[in-house]
Amino acid sequence: QSVLTQPPSVSGAPGQRVTISCTGSSSNIGAGYDVHWYQQLPGTAPKLLIYGNSNRPSGVPDRFSGSKSGTSASLAISGLQAEDEADYYCQSYDSSLSGSVFGGGTKLTVL
Amino acid sequence: QVQLVQSGAEVKKPGASVKVSCKVSGYTLTELSMHWVRQAPGKGLEWMGGFDPEDGETIYAQKFQGRVTMTEDTSTDTAYMELSSLRSEDTAVYYCAHRPRGSLLWFGELSNWGQGTLVTVSS
Repeated sequence: QSVLTQPPSVSGAPGQRVTISCTGSSSNIGAGYDVHWYQQLPGTAPKLLIYGNSNRPSGVPDRFSGSKSGTSASLAISGLQAEDEADYYCQSYDSSLSGSVFGGGTKLTVL
Repeated sequence: QVQLVQSGAEVKKPGASVKVSCKVSGYTLTELSMHWVRQAPGKGLEWMGGFDPEDGETIYAQKFQGRVTMTEDTSTDTAYMELSSLRSEDTAVYYCAHRPRGSLLWFGELSNWGQGTLVTVSS
């Protein structure tokens, strides 16, 4: 059971917008710690997608956006493309565990 | 641009130890805070530990304390992760990844990842 909870799967048609939630608690997201998001394409290493809740590293399309409120965070992907089909993970810091924690991951299927 | 190149796949017997290496190029290891994350087959990411450059110490996830050791050889810019008392549940791909250069906090986003090293534990 992951400390950060994500839906196991989401799906959407090309061109649509989807959101992936990441729910934590008062010892991680709710405590004010930043949330980061990673994209993992099949058979590859994770790639940083969003850092500091809503910032995109250089090279990440602006179709990807992040937000945070209370004990939850969300990743939104607009204008879905076939190449977006991947696993997505959220990450934060947990003060009770004194370490970084990841969500269980969400598999995005582009219909 | 930083590149992290990890050592090759390993097959170990239960009870043995494994040591995975991660060679840094593009920066020196002393400029980075290196972390290790693993991923069991078909499962999610699991943080194992990371280096706190302010204290000069490595912070280990509670789950792995006493069984994992993360070290660095700054002369070769290579980081190492050694996991002992291996069991079948340790079968996973092990990744090294680093914090952005100049980060003030030891924890946070991991900006660049190695290609991963598959460790298989089987009798």
